[in-house]
Amino acid sequence: AQTVTQSQPEMSVQEAETVTLSCTYDTSESNYYLFWYKQPPSRQMILVIRQEAYKQQNATENRFSVNFQKAAKSFSLKISDSQLGDTAMYFCAFMSLSGGSNYKLTFGKGTLLTVNP
Amino acid sequence: GAGVSQSPSNKVTEKGKDVELRCDPISGHTALYWYRQSLGQGLEFLIYFQGNSAPDKSGLPSDRFSAERTGGSVSTLTIQRTQQEDSAVYLCASSWQVNTEAFFGQGTRLTVV
Repeated sequence: AQTVTQSQPEMSVQEAETVTLSCTYDTSESNYYLFWYKQPPSRQMILVIRQEAYKQQNATENRFSVNFQKAAKSFSLKISDSQLGDTAMYFCAFMSLSGGSNYKLTFGKGTLLTVNP
Repeated sequence: GAGVSQSPSNKVTEKGKDVELRCDPISGHTALYWYRQSLGQGLEFLIYFQGNSAPDKSGLPSDRFSAERTGGSVSTLTIQRTQQEDSAVYLCASSWQVNTEAFFGQGTRLTVV
């Protein structure tokens, strides 16, 4: 079974600064995806970024980028030029692509990020 | 529809009553998931539907929980004889294929009193 660990329950950052959220995972699989989801107070989970395990290049989406260290099983999210709208709960998630898997997402406990003006 | 739609948005029920939660996925999406989000347990997988295949019910916490998906579209999660520990936000997600982006609804907040 896979596990996902987010060791930072809460973090805060000043507007326009950079913040990094940590995530580690444990799996024996070799073929999988990793995700960061954002959940604002509206409750709707929004995909921030996705990383395929077979890709060595770190994924980037505008102000969001990841540091994917496959050997260390680490997947951190960097948010540059933080904005007030980035305030939300952030979840790291794992999806196995192995045969027989149901492609479910396994989530970490989340990190509550607050961006201060 | 434009997104995944869940109803009701909030539900308060008395302990012992049955409840039905509805999920209307994005049109054309073949995969549909139910997750439960609670303070103590975080986000937990409940059940997964993919096309016409038998659903994966491995995450359902007890036999009081059941779900169906009619016509490969709308899904209903039913909780019988609700207990206080069933209080949580129930999230539905759908995706075009199993390994593509999952889009989530806004969830149903269930409170059992």
